Amino acid sequence: RKEVEQDPGPFNVPEGATVAFNCTYSNSASQSFFWYRQDCRKEPKLLMSVYSSGNEDGRFTAQLNRASQYISLLIRDSKLSDSATYLCVVIGNTGGFKTIFGAGTRLFVKA
Amino acid sequence: DTAVSQTPKYLVTQMGNDKSIKCEQNLGHDTMYWYKQDSKKFLKIMFSYNNKELIINETVPNRFSPKSPDKAHLNLHINSLELGDSAVYFCASSQGYQDPYQPQHFGDGTRLSIL
Repeated sequence: RKEVEQDPGPFNVPEGATVAFNCTYSNSASQSFFWYRQDCRKEPKLLMSVYSSGNEDGRFTAQLNRASQYISLLIRDSKLSDSATYLCVVIGNTGGFKTIFGAGTRLFVKA
Repeated sequence: DTAVSQTPKYLVTQMGNDKSIKCEQNLGHDTMYWYKQDSKKFLKIMFSYNNKELIINETVPNRFSPKSPDKAHLNLHINSLELGDSAVYFCASSQGYQDPYQPQHFGDGTRLSIL
């Protein structure tokens, strides 16, 4: 089982749609969780951190479920500019701090 | 601007050549990384240095040699380039042991093409 797993997609949605991505992680000792966004031919950029209480940044909402070991990202009112790959990232400490990147979920938002 | 910067942005070279990629960060971070992202888009860690010391060395051919002259710089030298080395190489940095649960910040990548 991969340490961090994501549905690779692609997700094809119309503008204005709500779309949700899930990510599962295998290390129960993981402590920090993030979503990154990577545009085509660009570097990964931090989108938002994910907290147990859930957190929102405009149209984006991130949730963490420690019991089930998954995190989610919800995008409301999708824009064309949201088209990108979304990477789930987990930091844990198992004999040393380790950052694990998921393989990413591709999103296409169409007019 | 505070950033992670890497040079060159594009590198096109012949098989068998030796090349270097440079990375610098002015974020005051202790830890720096090199990642490889190939055509399948998976981001794979290659090396990590904390305050000039190697802490992660994944299964990477020894043709790849990282060098960290100080904690703000991590360069990558590649000997005898092969076709399979064609990829995008990203440098990143984080606070490391200062605060190990903080996210990494990436440079904008070096696109390496081997002819």
